[in-house]
Formats: sequence, structure tokens, C-alpha cells
Amino acid sequence: DQQVKQNSPSLSVQEGRISILNCDYTNSMFDYFLWYKKYPAEGPTFLISISSIKDKNEDGRFTVFLNKSAKHLSLHIVPSQPGDSAVYFCAAIPGSGTYKYIFGTGTRLKVLA
Amino acid sequence: GAGVSQSPRYKVAKRGQDVALRCDPISGHVSLFWYQQALGQGPEFLTYFQNEAQLDKSGLPSDRFFAERPEGSVSTLKIQRTQQEDSAVYLCASSLGGRGTGGSYEQYFGPGTRLTVT
Repeated sequence: DQQVKQNSPSLSVQEGRISILNCDYTNSMFDYFLWYKKYPAEGPTFLISISSIKDKNEDGRFTVFLNKSAKHLSLHIVPSQPGDSAVYFCAAIPGSGTYKYIFGTGTRLKVLA
Repeated sequence: GAGVSQSPRYKVAKRGQDVALRCDPISGHVSLFWYQQALGQGPEFLTYFQNEAQLDKSGLPSDRFFAERPEGSVSTLKIQRTQQEDSAVYLCASSLGGRGTGGSYEQYFGPGTRLTVT
């Protein structure tokens, strides 16, 4: 079963507008969440993270929101730039005692110039 | 400094052959992870090392898969008697700290090894 889901396989946004990428999870024991960006033929690159004790974390153009009651995570990119075009993965880590990062299937973002 | 490197970048193996995939993590990184990524999917956890200790190997799909990190730095993922379903990109990641060490959970990934079994 897919514990971390990214239900939108792709998203297109105009340059300068906001990109919103969504992620849903099923396991309430997840205590840390991360977003990664991946370009073709490269490994994923860490973008931003959030602990389950927070509901928002901001880093420059990137903001992650966590809604624990809805088991929902979102990444906002404002303003979107053509260089943001990539595949975005959300990942979650269960509670202490495990090292198993669980990744979603990814959302391909295309920012149109 | 140098990032995580993996070799080879591409590997074609005939079914039944053994393969060895190498990962050079960032120097000083305590934690090392191996993932398998099938086409159109996210990375799937295979195994985790904290220094030389393999603390979790629950994601290894079968006993044909074996990983080691004997000196706590370079790691090798070995797949014996490769099957077609083993075709995937194998990603290695390292992080400075680990669970319970107070370190960051941020992982640094290598570019991956694309394995094709024919």
C-alpha cells in the first residue's frame, strides 16, 4: 500500500505564478516530512523539510504546509521560474526507531515561460 | 567539496549475472542509504547504514541483494543472479547525522546507477 501519495502526476504553471504541489499520507506516525526536486539523469536534491510539530516552514520561494488532521502536505513555490521545472517528490519518515524514508511517486512540474 | 558519487552510471547485465554497484558518500557522513527507483515511481528504501553497521535491511527484495559498508565510508550493493525485475535506477544517499544522533535528516543523493537486465 502506498503510504505517501502524490495524486497529480503533472502540473503546468505560468512563470511568475504560484505552483502548489500536494502530498497525502496515511500513517499518522510519520514525524518528519521532506520535499526533493529531481532533474533528469540526476539524483534527487533536498529542498525543504518540516517536523510534525510545526504547520509551516518557509525558505525563500519555497514554503511547506502541514495539515496533520487531514494528513496532507503541500509545497508552494512563489514565484515559479522556468528552472523549477523538474519532478518533485515528497517523503516521510516514520517515528523514532526506523530509518526508512518513504517517498511518493512524484509530480512533474513544468513552468512555462 | 565533492558530492555523492556512484559507479558505474549505467550497467547492462545478462539475466543470471552478478553485479556490484558502488557508492562513495560525502566524506564524514554517518548515514548511508540505498534506494531502488523503478520507472515512474519514487525511490524505494532498500537498506540503511550508520557508519559500518547495517541497521535496517528490511527493504532488500530478496536474498539475492546484499549491501556492505565495511569501513564506514564506501558502500557496495551486490545483486546476485540478476533478474529482469531488478532493472531500475539504484540511488545512494548519505546524510551527516542519523536517527538518534541529533543530526539533520537531509539526504544528499548520488546520480544513480541505471541497471538494465536483458
